[in-house]
Amino acid sequence: ETGVTQTPRHLVMGMTNKKSLKCEQHLGHNAMYWYKQSAKKPLELMFVYNFKEQTENNSVPSRFSPECPNSSHLFLHLHTLQPEDSALYLCASSQVATSAGVSGNTIYFGEGSWLTVV
Amino acid sequence: TQLLEQSPQFLSIQEGENLTVYCNSSSVFSSLQWYRQEPGEGPVLLVTVVTGGEVKKLKRLTFQFGDARKDSSLHITAAQPGDTGLYLCAGVEVAGTYKYIFGTGTRLKVLA
Repeated sequence: ETGVTQTPRHLVMGMTNKKSLKCEQHLGHNAMYWYKQSAKKPLELMFVYNFKEQTENNSVPSRFSPECPNSSHLFLHLHTLQPEDSALYLCASSQVATSAGVSGNTIYFGEGSWLTVV
Repeated sequence: TQLLEQSPQFLSIQEGENLTVYCNSSSVFSSLQWYRQEPGEGPVLLVTVVTGGEVKKLKRLTFQFGDARKDSSLHITAAQPGDTGLYLCAGVEVAGTYKYIFGTGTRLKVLA
């Protein structure tokens, strides 16, 4: 139990469906992240929220739409996805989104949501 | 996006053997973390190292942060099948964008 909970753990959706991934952190952190992990590729940062404000969008297609209503919750809304979007989507949190001068700022991950687009 | 280079990329060893995984960069890091990720799960934090030259032990795992805080190593003694997984290093650069950077990963398989 890392303190970061993701639902659902597994999701299969058609290319015309609309679905959402949910993430909740119980660590009192102020920054939350979405990462994408595909087979044989390094972790890809998608979005960063710091104190509920989006501070980074790493050139993610608009079919992925994040929402951060408060520092504890993060959503990823999915619409008209492609089969190549099938991957493990990881939510994470940390004290703050940047750690210049702050030693030991650590990212904690959820268990991930396995997404399959058919 | 900059990456931390990990080596080796893949490692398959017999139970009881020792191994070392390396994490290298040309950048200086304020801290560095090591994670283990099992198939279908998220990465789980193993350790954070902060001080140059620091050595931390976690049972059979020994982590070292380079003196210049540019590199790190993970040594596993007497590997067991339960050590199987993807090992990731990650850290935040002291200069530059201050973003979290992840390593390329080392996939370890320990055979019984």
